[in-house]
Amino acid sequence: SQELEQSPQSLIVQEGKNLTINCTSSKTLYGLYWYKQKYGEGLIFLMMLQKGGEEKSHEKITAKLDEKKQQSSLHITASQPSHAGIYLCGARTLSGGATNKLIFGTGTLLAVQP
Amino acid sequence: DADVTQTPRNRITKTGKRIMLECSQTKGHDRMYWYRQDPGLGLRLIYYSFDVKDINKGEISDGYSVSRQAQAKFSLSLESAIPNQTALYFCATSVTQGGQRTSYNEQFFGPGTRLTVL
Repeated sequence: SQELEQSPQSLIVQEGKNLTINCTSSKTLYGLYWYKQKYGEGLIFLMMLQKGGEEKSHEKITAKLDEKKQQSSLHITASQPSHAGIYLCGARTLSGGATNKLIFGTGTLLAVQP
Repeated sequence: DADVTQTPRNRITKTGKRIMLECSQTKGHDRMYWYRQDPGLGLRLIYYSFDVKDINKGEISDGYSVSRQAQAKFSLSLESAIPNQTALYFCATSVTQGGQRTSYNEQFFGPGTRLTVL
């Protein structure tokens, strides 16, 4: 089973609408990354959250980390067509010793209709 | 110029062929990774390398091998490609910072290689 679950799996919104994507972990989060991917292209780093309750914003995208719930949310305000793509959350794993492996969620496909 | 580059960007091959995917980085990072991405499964780690002499298997290493030719180069090989290895492959890099268990190392990804095995 996936250690990181994202919801929804896909989302279609009208331009200008707000939306939220969730990422839930089955294990304690030691750091949570959000990436955006355009179809067939590489990953673009959006932001990283480390501490419980932390919130970061970049332009119209805000991410929050709730360690108690082992969950992070990504909120887009006033969506635009340029926001369309696949959003991936990633979390650092600790599996004995020092590692920097990132496990990723299954992704959320966002389409923004003009 | 891109900091992490992958070649080729697209490749179509036949079952049983040997394929090598290459990754180069100019970021000076010591750690490099290979992932594959499949619809509905997200990114899965194939191999990772903490330095030239340290290579480790990831979650799905069977059918793959790697070579860290230099700090800046990390190649992934499919010795005998099979159709279920059709996927988008990503190389990534990161740098060790500070302590171990509490270091949160951002990873930088290449543009990806789309591999199709017929």
